[in-house]
Amino acid sequence: AQTVTQSQPEMSVQEAETVTLSCTYDTSESDYYLFWYKQPPSRQMILVIRQEAYKQQNATENRFSVNFQKAAKSFSLKISDSQLGDAAMYFCAWGPNQFYFGTGTSLTVIP
Amino acid sequence: DGGITQSPKYLFRKEGQNVTLSCEQNLNHDAMYWYRQDPGQGLRLIYYSQIVNDFQKGDIAEGYSVSREKKESFPLTVTSAQKNPTAFYLCASSMGGRYGANVLTFGAGSRLTVL
Repeated sequence: AQTVTQSQPEMSVQEAETVTLSCTYDTSESDYYLFWYKQPPSRQMILVIRQEAYKQQNATENRFSVNFQKAAKSFSLKISDSQLGDAAMYFCAWGPNQFYFGTGTSLTVIP
Repeated sequence: DGGITQSPKYLFRKEGQNVTLSCEQNLNHDAMYWYRQDPGQGLRLIYYSQIVNDFQKGDIAEGYSVSREKKESFPLTVTSAQKNPTAFYLCASSMGGRYGANVLTFGAGSRLTVL
């Protein structure tokens, strides 16, 4: 079964600090993509970052970076210099064609 | 601007009624998807379609039906057989193919409430 697990239902971080959101997944496939999506209160899903499983180098997008451990099937998201606008639900997902999502982590940013 | 349009944004249904949620995209994407979002359960796949006139069931297809007569459109019908239809529904699309730049683009969602 293809599953995605986010073990942290809620997280909080002080503004300007760094926070890491955890994600593990289970698949028998060797080639796939991993994603982090952000869902703010508007409920519009926004892609934060994408990682190709065949790439060893961790993806980075400005203040967002991932720690991808393929053997451990782990894909965590690090948010540096947290901003108030980062407050949202964050979903981990994997695909290549059917996309499976975790249950989400609600991130609160404390001013 | 290219994107995905879902309508209506809010929909109320009486028990026993079928309702259809619209999803239109102008991104020229081959693949389209319907997800259901409930509190604490993340997004669960209802149906997806990789090409016109073809679609596959996702994990929670019971009580739902879809059609894909045009590349741009992928409507979802919530039938009276769906026992707990109150939820937030998200439509998405992607370029398709297995190893392409397969990123999901989402619509703004439709909130269905059964009265």
